[in-house]
Amino acid sequence: GAVVSQHPSWVICKSGTSVKIECRSLDFQATTMFWYRQFPKQSLMLMATSNEGSKATYEQGVEKDKFLINHASLTLSTLTVTSAHPEDSSFYICSARAFFGQGTRLTVV
Amino acid sequence: DAKTTQPTSMDCAEGRAANLPCNHSTISGNEYVYWYRQIHSQGPQYIIHGLKNNETNEMASLIITEDRKSSTLILPHATLRDTAVYYCIVGGGAGGTSYGKLTFGQGTILTVHP
Repeated sequence: GAVVSQHPSWVICKSGTSVKIECRSLDFQATTMFWYRQFPKQSLMLMATSNEGSKATYEQGVEKDKFLINHASLTLSTLTVTSAHPEDSSFYICSARAFFGQGTRLTVV
Repeated sequence: DAKTTQPTSMDCAEGRAANLPCNHSTISGNEYVYWYRQIHSQGPQYIIHGLKNNETNEMASLIITEDRKSSTLILPHATLRDTAVYYCIVGGGAGGTSYGKLTFGQGTILTVHP
């Protein structure tokens, strides 16, 4: 079946630095991908819709300048957390079609 | 997107069938019912989805009522590894503009015990 791969699985970064997370569709092309965030003991919250060849669409309350999304090809979307702070520590998950990546655990120290 | 209502938690004995209910009374005519599960620190795993008819695959069965206002996910022979949070979500189907854009509720914590 369709597979979505996310990298890295986990990352630790220093406060103030930026972190890039990749999301790839492995056996299909995806003009649209989605990015979610999940805090401990909470459900997934949609952050933004990544659109191939155009700007991402962000959900209310999500800072577009902080969470940069690039969807440069039909199989790759990237999420860059800029100037990360401890409150950005979370589980970030991407999806394409109805399938999800394995998630990226971000810890900002 | 239509909202769903699920019990907060359920228990099931290993080897028995687990029946997880979901209410989606405001579902629109072109919305599908999707089921996912999430094991701690992993991305959601797709289980099954359906529009009107009952569906079955190697993981589970999905029973949708005739009025489509509710559904039940059935794990026929639950194992300890089926312990997870199960999410019932309604959303657009393939080809639609909202395909894959899913709104997660709190889900049902299913605990399978020996």
